[in-house]
Amino acid sequence: AQTVTQSQPEMSVQEAETVTLSCTYDTSESDYYLFWYKQPPSRQMILVIRQEAYKQQNATENRFSVNFQKAAKSFSLKISDSQLGDAAMYFCAYRSSYGSSNTGKLIFGQGTTLQVKP
Amino acid sequence: EAGVTQFPSHSVIEKGQTVTLRCDPISGHDNLYWYRRVMGKEIKFLLHFVKESKQDESGMPNNRFLAERTGGTYSTLKVQPAELEDSGVYFCASSQMTLGNTEAFFGQGTRLTVV
Repeated sequence: AQTVTQSQPEMSVQEAETVTLSCTYDTSESDYYLFWYKQPPSRQMILVIRQEAYKQQNATENRFSVNFQKAAKSFSLKISDSQLGDAAMYFCAYRSSYGSSNTGKLIFGQGTTLQVKP
Repeated sequence: EAGVTQFPSHSVIEKGQTVTLRCDPISGHDNLYWYRRVMGKEIKFLLHFVKESKQDESGMPNNRFLAERTGGTYSTLKVQPAELEDSGVYFCASSQMTLGNTEAFFGQGTRLTVV
């Protein structure tokens, strides 16, 4: 079974600085998808960024980028030029792409609470 | 376009009582998922509907939980009778497809507290 681990329960960053959130996962599959979701205090989770495992190029969305290391099964999120609105809980998630496992269900990590200091 | 909506946002019930959570997915999304996060732990999958059919209910904790999706539209998750360990935040998500990197859209969650 696949697992996702976020080893940093809490992180803090100064406004305008850069922060990296860690995520590792375990799987025997070679093709899958990885996601970072953000849950602000209002509690609705929104997608931040996604990565297809078959793509070597790291995904980037404006100030958000990932460092995807497939061999190491690592998928970290880098937030550049941090803003107060980035304060939230961040969840790393895995989704299988194989046959009967491809139901679209997500496997989540424990979450990392990010505090942004003004 | 309306997003995924969940009712109620909070619920406090006594042990042994029944609670029904509701999720209205984005219109046109055939796939509907329920997840739960118990305090401090990871978000765990409960079940998956495709239209009105249960595609995968492998995450349902026990038979005190009953999920339905009437006519393939909104879904309800009933807990009867509720136990203390059922406390947590219940999330609903919907998506158009299961293929590719399709985005799942989440509701704001229902915080259930069993006392």
